[in-house]
Amino acid sequence: SQQGEEDPQALSIQEGENATMNCSYKTSINNLQWYRQNSGRGLVHLILIRSNEREKHSGRLRVTLDTSKKSSSLLITASRAADTASYFCATDLNYQLIWGAGTKLIIKP
Amino acid sequence: GAGVSQTPSNKVTEKGKYVELRCDPISGHTALYWYRQSLGQGPEFLIYFQGTGAADDSGLPNDRFFAVRPEGSVSTLKIQRTERGDSAVYLCASSLMGGATETQYFGPGTRLLVL
Repeated sequence: SQQGEEDPQALSIQEGENATMNCSYKTSINNLQWYRQNSGRGLVHLILIRSNEREKHSGRLRVTLDTSKKSSSLLITASRAADTASYFCATDLNYQLIWGAGTKLIIKP
Repeated sequence: GAGVSQTPSNKVTEKGKYVELRCDPISGHTALYWYRQSLGQGPEFLIYFQGTGAADDSGLPNDRFFAVRPEGSVSTLKIQRTERGDSAVYLCASSLMGGATETQYFGPGTRLLVL
């Protein structure tokens, strides 16, 4: 079964704009991770945020976590064509990762 | 060293046949995971190895699915009597120790098509 649910399912923006994706989950977590998947490179880990953290940055990525609402958001600033991919949130159940269905992001030149 | 590799990259088989999918994890990683991803969905956990032993195989859908990791490195996922519903991308990942906060590194996957 899938734990997370990403929103929106698909997002199309102009290059240079910011992209925001949301993830909601159902049960308590130790941490939440965001991954990117494109046809060329498979699943790539982007960032991990622990349950006691509220915000984390990595380059153009900003992740927030609200455990009271069981939700997380991923912000990509100054988007580039290479950011076109599907983005997944994954929550941990011990060592298992439980995944949402992903947000498909398209960056238009 | 090199990343996680999986072979074959694509496999087409007929309903009822047996298939083996191979995963070569990052050298030194003791934890290895198999996931299955259907079109338009996120990955779904199948099995987790810690060293040579299957620490959790609760995600295997039925007894047609089996996985081994005899020497604690390479793993093989075996599917007997394949069904059309087994068609998916099978992903392998590895991590250093298997802790909950570890990054899992994924291979490119094996795309299985059962006709």
